[in-house]
Amino acid sequence: DARVTQTPRDKVTEMGQEVTMRCQPILGHNTVFWYRQTMMQGLELLAYFRNRAPLDDSGMPKDRFSAEMPDATLATLKIQPSEPRDSAVYFCASAADGNSNQPQHFGDGTRLSIL
Amino acid sequence: QQPVQSPQAVILREGEDAVINCSSSKALYSVHWYRQKHGEAPVFLMILLKGGEQKGHEKISASFNEKKQQSSLYLTASQLSYSGTYFCGTPGQAAGNKLTFGGGTRVLVKP
Repeated sequence: DARVTQTPRDKVTEMGQEVTMRCQPILGHNTVFWYRQTMMQGLELLAYFRNRAPLDDSGMPKDRFSAEMPDATLATLKIQPSEPRDSAVYFCASAADGNSNQPQHFGDGTRLSIL
Repeated sequence: QQPVQSPQAVILREGEDAVINCSSSKALYSVHWYRQKHGEAPVFLMILLKGGEQKGHEKISASFNEKKQQSSLYLTASQLSYSGTYFCGTPGQAAGNKLTFGGGTRVLVKP
């Protein structure tokens, strides 16, 4: 089965370090989402792209977070500098297109711990 | 605005039924349902696109009432594998697949 691939699976680093998370969407999917999940806030949308163009990043702290799609097979989410409050599970999801009748397929997530 | 799910948690015995509700204060155009097992990614269950439409996945079905701005997920004759957290997601009014997820309903099915 086609799957969304995320790396790394786990990341532990110290406050102030740069963190880069990567996502390979399902081949042929043109819409990519980045979510953050915490116990307190639940599943929050950070940013999403269609055809590699950013459509909405209003959920993302602009001063430290950045999201890009260098090409159709790679999406990245960077945090610089990282802070303990960024500790969470970050999910990437992809969909076949931007219509709301398309399911989102989630990757296994990156479990991030900032010490 | 985030849809509201109820109940927040439910414990079932194998074979029992349960209903999970998802309500929105805004007009609903469609509703997505996902299930997430502990330590895993959310997995798509179904999308409801029309008012009153019911869909099914295994013995899990759902309904969508546009007028009431809510959707309900029905777990029938629950199995141990149904344990997990269920999320509803609702798209915004603008075109596109951006979803806002509810807070989730934790389901535990015991033998």
